[in-house]
Amino acid sequence: DARVTQTPRDKVTEMGQEVTMRCQPILGHNTVFWYRQTMMQGLELLAYFRNRAPLDDSGMPKDRFSAEMPDATLATLKIQPSEPRDSAVYFCASGLDVTDTQYFGPGTRLTVL
Amino acid sequence: GENVEQHPSTLSVQEGDSAVIKCTYSDSASNYFPWYKQELGKRPQLIIDIRSNVGEKKDQRIAVTLNKTAKHFSLHITETQPEDSAVYFCAASISGGGADGLTFGKGTHLIIQP
Repeated sequence: DARVTQTPRDKVTEMGQEVTMRCQPILGHNTVFWYRQTMMQGLELLAYFRNRAPLDDSGMPKDRFSAEMPDATLATLKIQPSEPRDSAVYFCASGLDVTDTQYFGPGTRLTVL
Repeated sequence: GENVEQHPSTLSVQEGDSAVIKCTYSDSASNYFPWYKQELGKRPQLIIDIRSNVGEKKDQRIAVTLNKTAKHFSLHITETQPEDSAVYFCAASISGGGADGLTFGKGTHLIIQP
C-alpha cells in the first residue's frame, strides 16, 4: 500500500532557526502539494508542483518560506528564519494529474519557541 | 479565489442516527468536491468525492449530494457508529484533486454518542 512519507514527524526549534521539512510522494505521482493546518485557519494550501515545476505558491509567505522539488522523489519546504506563528502541522500530499484523489502524508508537527 | 464555508463546526448525534454536514462554495468554476475524514493526530483521508456532472454519489453508509446551481454540497452519514467520530472536511477544486490544490472548509467535529 503506497503512501506519502514525511520527515521529520515532529520538530521543535527556536525562533530564528532554519527548518527543512521533506516529503516523498507516492511513486508515479506527478503533482505534489504542501498544506499547513492550524486550529485557527484550518487546512491551507501553501504551494504545489507538477512534474517538479512550481505551479502555484500564492499561499506561501514569500519572505521566509521556500519550496522545491530537487527530484521526482523529494519535495522540500524550508522556513528561514522561523517564527512562533509558523507553529502548525505541515502536510504534503501527492496525486496524479489525470485522476482525482490527493493522498496525504502523516504531517510534520512544527513547534517554534 | 475560492471560499468554502462548512457547517456546523460541531455535530453530536446518537449512535445509529444520521449526520449531515453542509458546505457552500463561491467559485462557479469549481468542478470537484471531496470529503476528507481526519482522526486525532492522523492524516486527512478521502472518504468520498463528487464531480459537478453528478448530483449524488453513495458508498455504503455515506453519500454526497451536490447542487451546482446553489453552489452547495452535503455529506450524509447513516447508521452512525463510534468509529465515525472524527473531524470531517469538505473541499473544492477546479480541475480535480490530482491536478489542482484543494480549498478546504474549516471542518466539522462529529461526535457519536453511545
